[in-house]
Amino acid sequence: AQSVSQHNHHVILSEAASLELGCNYSYGGTVNLFWYVQYPGQHLQLLLKYFSGDPLVKGIKGFEAEFIKSKFSFNLRKPSVHWSDAAEYFCAVGPASGGSYIPTFGRGTSLIVHP
Amino acid sequence: NAGVMQNPRHLVRRRGQEARLRCSPMKGHSHVYWYRQLPEEGLKFMVYLQKENIIDESGMPKERFSAEFPKEGPSILRIQQVVRGDSAAYFCASSHDSYGYTFGSGTRLTVV
Repeated sequence: AQSVSQHNHHVILSEAASLELGCNYSYGGTVNLFWYVQYPGQHLQLLLKYFSGDPLVKGIKGFEAEFIKSKFSFNLRKPSVHWSDAAEYFCAVGPASGGSYIPTFGRGTSLIVHP
Repeated sequence: NAGVMQNPRHLVRRRGQEARLRCSPMKGHSHVYWYRQLPEEGLKFMVYLQKENIIDESGMPKERFSAEFPKEGPSILRIQQVVRGDSAAYFCASSHDSYGYTFGSGTRLTVV
């Protein structure tokens, strides 16, 4: 069974500060990795995803994530946060093969941005 | 492509009533997943369906909850005899394979 751990439940930053949200997973096979964002009262939107190739993935809105296979990690980063980035961020892991593609989500990290 | 459509967006039910949540997957997607999101918690997997088949329902409560994805029409998540603890946001996602999941806007169920 796969599991996803997001280290911080809440992160509080000042605007323009750099952001890094941790995500570690456990799974015995090949995985696809995702970061989703959920703005208050809205549905989940895909920020970025990793399937294969370059482990540094660029997403929308200036976000990027790095897949470090040896550490089973897929941390999300942004050099400079904006107040509009305040949201809930979810890391997800899905099996890359095997016929059952159920993604598992981390508990989420709530980002608060102070002006 | 209209994306994943969920309705209703908000649903209020009295204790003991039935709740029916609908999810129409993206065109071409044959995999549907239902998740429940409780306050201060992440998304908890409930059930994974393909057309006319329940593939994995390991996250579904043993009683009162059921799901279907008929040959024609949307996927339905049914909750019978709702209780206050069923109040949550229910999200549906669909995919073609393992390369991306598109989420619907969710149904926020409130049990009064």
